[in-house]
Amino acid sequence: NAGVMQNPRHLVRRRGQEARLRCSPMKGHSHVYWYRQLPEEGLKFMVYLQKENIIDESGMPKERFSAEFPKEGPSILRIQQVVRGDSAAYFCASSPLGRQAGANVLTFGAGSRLTVL
Amino acid sequence: GQQLNQSPQSMFIQEGEDVSMNCTSSSIFNTWLWYKQDPGEGPVLLIALYKAGELTSNGRLTAQFGITRKDSFLNISASIPSDVGIYFCAGQNYGANSKLTFGKGITLSVRP
Repeated sequence: NAGVMQNPRHLVRRRGQEARLRCSPMKGHSHVYWYRQLPEEGLKFMVYLQKENIIDESGMPKERFSAEFPKEGPSILRIQQVVRGDSAAYFCASSPLGRQAGANVLTFGAGSRLTVL
Repeated sequence: GQQLNQSPQSMFIQEGEDVSMNCTSSSIFNTWLWYKQDPGEGPVLLIALYKAGELTSNGRLTAQFGITRKDSFLNISASIPSDVGIYFCAGQNYGANSKLTFGKGITLSVRP
């Protein structure tokens, strides 16, 4: 079984460009989470999505950032008009349907590392 | 918001030694998890703890969920070079979003 797949693994953008990061969850997982990791920091929650729905976006910056998880295809994290401070590793995680204890343990992808020049 | 504290930021041990890492929280969690991150990779789940007081082992790793539900520790016994990496604790509460709150991590170095 394939794990959580993220691409691209590395992305370089100039200030003002757009960055699109993609995440395919594990087979059978319908919950997707995006986290951001700055150097020497832990992972910070950004957004939680189920198919076609944003459930919790309390960690998303108010401007320039958006996320979607369409009915078909991967989840997309989109950053418009990138700035140097957006340089970070962005991790996607997925979990299976269900809310019982243990059912929502997250499996992480290898991350997408964004560098803004 | 909820915060998890891990310290020190770095630990240096000799191969074969045991090491213990603590994680404390300003608030209660229903679930504690320990992840390890290798350079250039995503976090990989090591141990998940679901009940206060629970002690769980995974090979050379042992973790405990504190009675107060505000802390956890991870022990690594007989360390080996491949134990090198960043160890994160994470807390999780039940409910619709199940988002994780992470500590800042402890970077472990193992001298051969």
